[in-house]
Amino acid sequence: EDQVTQSPEALRLQEGESSSLNCSYTVSGLRGLFWYRQDPGKGPEFLFTLYSAGEEKEKERLKATLTKKESFLHITAPKPEDSATYLCAVQEYGNKLVFGAGTILRVKS
Amino acid sequence: SQTIHQWPATLVQPVGSPLSLECTVEGTSNPNLYWYRQAAGRGLQLLFYSVGIGQISSEVPQNLSASRPQDRQFILSSKKLLLSDSGFYLCAWSVSVDTQYFGPGTRLTVL
Repeated sequence: EDQVTQSPEALRLQEGESSSLNCSYTVSGLRGLFWYRQDPGKGPEFLFTLYSAGEEKEKERLKATLTKKESFLHITAPKPEDSATYLCAVQEYGNKLVFGAGTILRVKS
Repeated sequence: SQTIHQWPATLVQPVGSPLSLECTVEGTSNPNLYWYRQAAGRGLQLLFYSVGIGQISSEVPQNLSASRPQDRQFILSSKKLLLSDSGFYLCAWSVSVDTQYFGPGTRLTVL
């Protein structure tokens, strides 16, 4: 059975304190790995799609990387507005996404 | 550009009452459509997906059903709500099997 595990469950950072979120997965054949950001009471907002090991994508202070077993979301010099829940999802060949439980990030000024 | 709408935004219903949640997508044709449920502190659970009008696949057997009467309309229904149906319901769309984009969600509380 496909599994997606995100760690840590919650992370508190000071503004400017860089860190990384982890998403480990077990699938028989990975078609894509997706990162979303979700603010309280809102729908997830798409951030990145990664398709193959070694791939990296960046957007502002966020950088996503992918290996054969896990993905990292690196946050460089975070700001309070980066506070949100970050969701990871994997897709095998087909439509279905399997989501992790998410990492709640709080950035304090 | 594409936009996705869900309504209502919030809903409080008694146990045993019916349910109808609606999702519409603008700016794209023949999208794949999805219904997810998100319980507090848990990941999103796929409930239904549709690749075309009248074509519905169910992922989790339960007292919910879905219908797609028009190309860009997806409806989630129940004849009798249970307490366990409470949660945050999200609709999403995609072009084929590519990235899924989510709507704003409906918060359902069953009392």
